[in-house]
Amino acid sequence: DAGVIQSPRHEVTEMGQEVTLRCKPISGHNSLFWYRQTMMRGLELLIYFNNNVPIDDSGMPEDRFSAKMPNASFSTLKIQPSEPRDSAVYFCASSSRLAGGNEQYFGPGTRLTVT
Amino acid sequence: SQQGEEDPQALSIQEGENATMNCSYKTSINNLQWYRQNSGRGLVHLILIRSNEREKHSGRLRVTLDTSKKSSSLLITASRAADTASYFCATALIQGAQKLVFGQGTRLTINP
Repeated sequence: DAGVIQSPRHEVTEMGQEVTLRCKPISGHNSLFWYRQTMMRGLELLIYFNNNVPIDDSGMPEDRFSAKMPNASFSTLKIQPSEPRDSAVYFCASSSRLAGGNEQYFGPGTRLTVT
Repeated sequence: SQQGEEDPQALSIQEGENATMNCSYKTSINNLQWYRQNSGRGLVHLILIRSNEREKHSGRLRVTLDTSKKSSSLLITASRAADTASYFCATALIQGAQKLVFGQGTRLTINP
């Protein structure tokens, strides 16, 4: 299995621009998570989906952030408009209840820099 | 406040020594997991211990869980330079829940 795939790996953009991060979970996994990691705040859960349905988006910082999961193999996290404080590494992770546990498998992350 | 809090925040030891990291949490859990993160990479699952288990082993890893004290420890024996990474504990609060609550992590440095 290829594991969780994220793109792009690095993104540098100017303040005010729209940013779209993409994630392909492990095939067969029914839960998908978006995290943000910074030195100051550590690893924060932004939103997670079960069976393509958003379950908990309480971690989404503000309305500038939105996430979608149109099907079981694809999710996006969009920031519009982006701000310098959004600079962080964004991770996508997936898990499968059917596998008997809830271990999460993380992608390599997208390092976002907003100037 | 954090559900899982690791202690210490940073640990530096010599290669070959054992490394012990601790995690405390606040509410009842279904299971507790440990993850490793190498610099610039995603987290990697290491081991899961359920609330009705007290100890679990995986290779050079030993995890203990004390639900009465709401704490867990991760022991890495005979450490190697490649063990240098950040280690996170994560708790699952209810059975069947896919959501995990991660702590802030312990930064482990193994000196050759």
